[in-house]
Amino acid sequence: DQQVKQNSPSLSVQEGRISILNCDYTNSMFDYFLWYKKYPAEGPTFLISISSIKDKNEDGRFTVFLNKSAKHLSLHIVPSQPGDSAVYFCAARTTGNQFYFGTGTSLTVIP
Amino acid sequence: DTGVSQDPRHKITKRGQNVTFRCDPISEHNRLYWYRQTLGQGPEFLTYFQNEAQLEKSRLLSDRFSAERPKGSFSTLEIQRTEQGDSAMYLCASSSETGGSNYGYTFGSGTRLTVV
Repeated sequence: DQQVKQNSPSLSVQEGRISILNCDYTNSMFDYFLWYKKYPAEGPTFLISISSIKDKNEDGRFTVFLNKSAKHLSLHIVPSQPGDSAVYFCAARTTGNQFYFGTGTSLTVIP
Repeated sequence: DTGVSQDPRHKITKRGQNVTFRCDPISEHNRLYWYRQTLGQGPEFLTYFQNEAQLEKSRLLSDRFSAERPKGSFSTLEIQRTEQGDSAMYLCASSSETGGSNYGYTFGSGTRLTVV
């Protein structure tokens, strides 16, 4: 049962443009959402997070938007840079201690 | 402290053999997690320790899997009688009880297991 879904396995964007990565979830009990970035042969690295009581969180070039009524989460990267090329995972947490991850979106930023 | 360390980075084993992985968390973190990631999937939760106590276990953790954290510091994950379906990246993460912006969830680089 996939509670967190990333329906786009890959995305290509030109350098300098906006990258939008999407994530949908099914469990209304999730209270915290995160985005992780993963390079090959490395573990996931935390990127940005948002609490379920907020609808937007911004950190530099990265902004996460949360639409609770639609159970939808998105990550905006602007401007996109070649170094942003990686696999991005959306994750969600309930009141327990485990995170539920999506299947990832591979972002390629074309110079 | 350079983060969460996992050893070995790669392990190739024959089906039926036992394997053991080690995770050294960030020293001030009292929480430790094991996740498994297969190709094309996101990390899946296996188990969680707070100090030396194993508090949560996923149904993915079959009887062939056992995890320990004997002194509340490093942890080991053992897989007995390995099967080809066990081939995956095994990720360890740690966090502190007080959390942080991401609940202080820091992943190691993982151990890639290949069962042949």
